[in-house]
Amino acid sequence: SAVISQKPSRDICQRGTSLTIQCQVDSQVTMMFWYRQQPGQSLTLIATANQGSEATYESGFVIDKFPISRPNLTFSTLTVSNMSPEDSSIYLCSVRGRTEAFFGQGTRLTVV
Amino acid sequence: SQQGEEDPQALSIQEGENATMNCSYKTSINNLQWYRQNSGRGLVHLILIRSNEREKHSGRLRVTLDTSKKSSSLLITASRAADTASYFCATELKTSYDKVIFGPGTSLSVIP
Repeated sequence: SAVISQKPSRDICQRGTSLTIQCQVDSQVTMMFWYRQQPGQSLTLIATANQGSEATYESGFVIDKFPISRPNLTFSTLTVSNMSPEDSSIYLCSVRGRTEAFFGQGTRLTVV
Repeated sequence: SQQGEEDPQALSIQEGENATMNCSYKTSINNLQWYRQNSGRGLVHLILIRSNEREKHSGRLRVTLDTSKKSSSLLITASRAADTASYFCATELKTSYDKVIFGPGTSLSVIP
């Protein structure tokens, strides 16, 4: 199993600003994943973060809007840039275990 | 991006009845997982079924997988009010180990 610490747990931000979300895993992992869950919706994969290489983004997500860092095998950050109210969501980081995916507790972001 | 569809989108049943949720996906998979999410809370992993398995049981849960039809079903028997939650299927794609893509989910209400 993996224990994932994610912070902040929630934030209220002004439109046009940026927020960086941190994700710390208690073990070394090759890949970390960032998801977004909009209100009442399912999880949508934003990107896959590999240590030592650029993140791979899913269709509809771009690096300028969601830059990701992966400085080592236990840590990653996701920045939500130039925020608008449409970015209000829960953002989750995740790592893959042998039989399931493990998730952080999520960052509930409200953009006003 | 999302892999497929789930139906129904919403399901309301009486306590004690069985609940069946279906999931379809588009591309070849390594495995399929089901998760539960209670309102405003984190994801709980329920069960994983591999692509070479056809059926799996866990307590009151029964999952089937038909890779020829690219579909899966989750059956919850003798439902309880505490089963009220959103249920998501998630697939690990054959072309991308570790990456897990979620379906849109089914919202289940169990009426006492």
